[in-house]
Amino acid sequence: QVHLVQSGTEVKKPGASVKVSCQASGYVFTTYAFSWIRQAPGQGLEWLGWVSGNNDNTNYAQSLQGRVSMTTDTSTATAYLELRSLRLDDTAVYYCARMSAAGNYFEYWGQGTLVTVSS
Amino acid sequence: QSVLTQPPSASGTPGQRVTISCSGSTSNIRSDTINWYQKFPGTAPKLLFYSNNQRPSGVPDRFSGSKSGTSASLAISGLQPEDEADYYCAAWDESLNAWVFGGGTKLTVL
Repeated sequence: QVHLVQSGTEVKKPGASVKVSCQASGYVFTTYAFSWIRQAPGQGLEWLGWVSGNNDNTNYAQSLQGRVSMTTDTSTATAYLELRSLRLDDTAVYYCARMSAAGNYFEYWGQGTLVTVSS
Repeated sequence: QSVLTQPPSASGTPGQRVTISCSGSTSNIRSDTINWYQKFPGTAPKLLFYSNNQRPSGVPDRFSGSKSGTSASLAISGLQPEDEADYYCAAWDESLNAWVFGGGTKLTVL
């Protein structure tokens, strides 16, 4: 069955960068895209962008343009989210989600990674 | 504020029917991309519905989805205590070229 396992909790200072990983198993990795979604404390869900499974296409949320990179490593079936120039309001739980084959819903989710930005 | 509008809270007693609305615009509430997710504190969201009213296997048929104009709705009939959770709608916004979420509705089973 499909399984997504994310990397562990991160604590960063403002201005630093963070890279969160999402290792997939149970399906053909290159066939499906990944989205990244976050939830800040007490807030709702926010879509950050998506990356194709074979790492040849991305689409980032306007609010993060210039600070975010999403990639995949097909050799290890792992998706990555890198966020740079971290701000206090980037503190959130970050989720990876495998898209459906048609790309019209978030079918499977990772367990989430807490990223805390604090001075 | 969220592009999709949901009521912040809803409640019902066991056995009742509860409806949660999701209001958007013509650029996002399209029948083939409206999704609903159930989220418990500390856990990842779980897909409840996709393409407006398609239910993944394992989701009880007490849950149903519908769309009318630029609004979508999630209905839960025969409410059970374990339904107490946060519920989010999501849709692809063609104008923003982005996925957008509602602000979430906290469902309380009284």
